[in-house]
Amino acid sequence: GAVVSQHPSRVICKSGTSVKIECRSLDFQATTMFWYRQFPKQSLMLMATSNEGSKATYEQGVEKDKFLINHASLTLSTLTVTSAHPEDSSFYICSAIPGTNTEAFFGQGTRLTVV
Amino acid sequence: LAKTTQPISMDSYEGQEVNITCSHNNIATNDYITWYQQFPSQGPRFIIQGYKTKVTNEVASLFIPADRKSSTLSLPRVSLSDTAVYYCLVEGGGTSYGKLTFGQGTILTVHP
Repeated sequence: GAVVSQHPSRVICKSGTSVKIECRSLDFQATTMFWYRQFPKQSLMLMATSNEGSKATYEQGVEKDKFLINHASLTLSTLTVTSAHPEDSSFYICSAIPGTNTEAFFGQGTRLTVV
Repeated sequence: LAKTTQPISMDSYEGQEVNITCSHNNIATNDYITWYQQFPSQGPRFIIQGYKTKVTNEVASLFIPADRKSSTLSLPRVSLSDTAVYYCLVEGGGTSYGKLTFGQGTILTVHP
C-alpha cells in the first residue's frame, strides 16, 4: 500500500519554542493531506485539511496562527506548532489519500512533549 | 458526517473469532463504512471498507445489513497481536473524502 511518513517520531521542546513536523507521501502525490491530534486515551481529532498550493482549512476551535500548515509540494505538508505550551503536548498524526475514493494512509505519528 | 457508536471495549482469547458491531443510524446514501486499527503510539491502519452486504479481505470480513444502519467487523482467529483499538467510520465521497471523524473506538484485548 501507499506510504506516508512523518518526521520526527518524537520531539521534546521547551515551552515558548516552535516545533515543525513533516508529513511526506513517499510513493504518491497528495494534493490534500490531513492533520489530526490525539490526546492520551482519546480518539483522533481532525485539526485541519492541508491543501497543496493554497491555504489550509482549519476545524472549529483550532487556532490557525498557532498551528501553521504549509503544503508546498505534492508530497510534503508541514505542521508548525508555534509558541508551544505544555497543553500542546499530544500525538500528532497526518494522513493522505492516493486517489479518489481510496482509503486514507496515516503517518506513524509524532509524539510532542512540551516541557 | 454520520456519527458512529461502538462498544468501548471487548475481550477475547487467542484463536477465537471476534465480532465488533458499529451503529451508524444516520448514514447517508453515498457514505462508505470503513474500519481502521490503531496500535499504541502509531497512526491508524486501514482494515476494510464496504458499502453494503459483505466484504472480505485477507484480514477481516465486514457485514453490512440491507438498511446499512450498522456494520460488523469480524476478525477470524485473533492472536495477541490483534490487541488494538478498532475504529468504525462512515465517510462520504466527493470533496470531503479523506476527512475522517473518529469515534471513541473499541479497545480489543486478546488474552492468551
